[in-house]
Amino acid sequence: KAGVTQTPRYLIKTRGQQVTLSCSPISGHRSVSWYQQTPGQGLQFLFEYFSETQRNKGNFPGRFSGRQFSNSRSEMNVSTLELGDSALYLCASSRDRDRKTTNEKLFFGSGTQLSVL
Amino acid sequence: KQEVTQIPAALSVPEGENLVLNCSFTDSAIYNLQWFRQDPGKGLTSLLLIQSSQREQTSGRLNASLDKSSGRSTLYIAASQPGDSATYLCAPYGGGSGGGADGLTFGKGTHLIIQP
Repeated sequence: KAGVTQTPRYLIKTRGQQVTLSCSPISGHRSVSWYQQTPGQGLQFLFEYFSETQRNKGNFPGRFSGRQFSNSRSEMNVSTLELGDSALYLCASSRDRDRKTTNEKLFFGSGTQLSVL
Repeated sequence: KQEVTQIPAALSVPEGENLVLNCSFTDSAIYNLQWFRQDPGKGLTSLLLIQSSQREQTSGRLNASLDKSSGRSTLYIAASQPGDSATYLCAPYGGGSGGGADGLTFGKGTHLIIQP
């Protein structure tokens, strides 16, 4: 069973540009979450999608957006890139959205390393 | 807002030792807590998940305990091996208003080095 796949693995952009990152969840998983990891702030939750709808959103500016397609694949977009957006962006999937009463784990991809110059 | 602290931030021990990694969180109203490991430049690998109603979970040489009321979890690694070298992250799910967010809240992690 294939794991969570993120593309591209590395990306270099310049300030002001926009970028789109892609995530393919594990087959059968309908929930996709995105996280940003930086040395200073650690891992921070960006947003979660389930059945093509954004269910939850972290404390990030509107430049960060995402969407989910009918096949559960998700994309994340960052517009007007800033130097501080340089980070490892991680995508995670799970079968169910409701992980509150189940043993539903999150499975992470290897991430996309974004460098903004 | 949920805040997670992991102690120690870094640890270097010789192979074969048993060790304990600590995690504390400020809001005990959590649903569950996961422990992950992260290898350099890689994503996260889920190690153990403990439901809020459970006290501990075991997988091989790993044992995680949860004391929800005191906001603490520990990860015990028995007979450590060089392959255990990684950053270990704890992440409670739930707790705190988090500005509406409903994702995991991560600690900064414990960077573990097992010397051969």
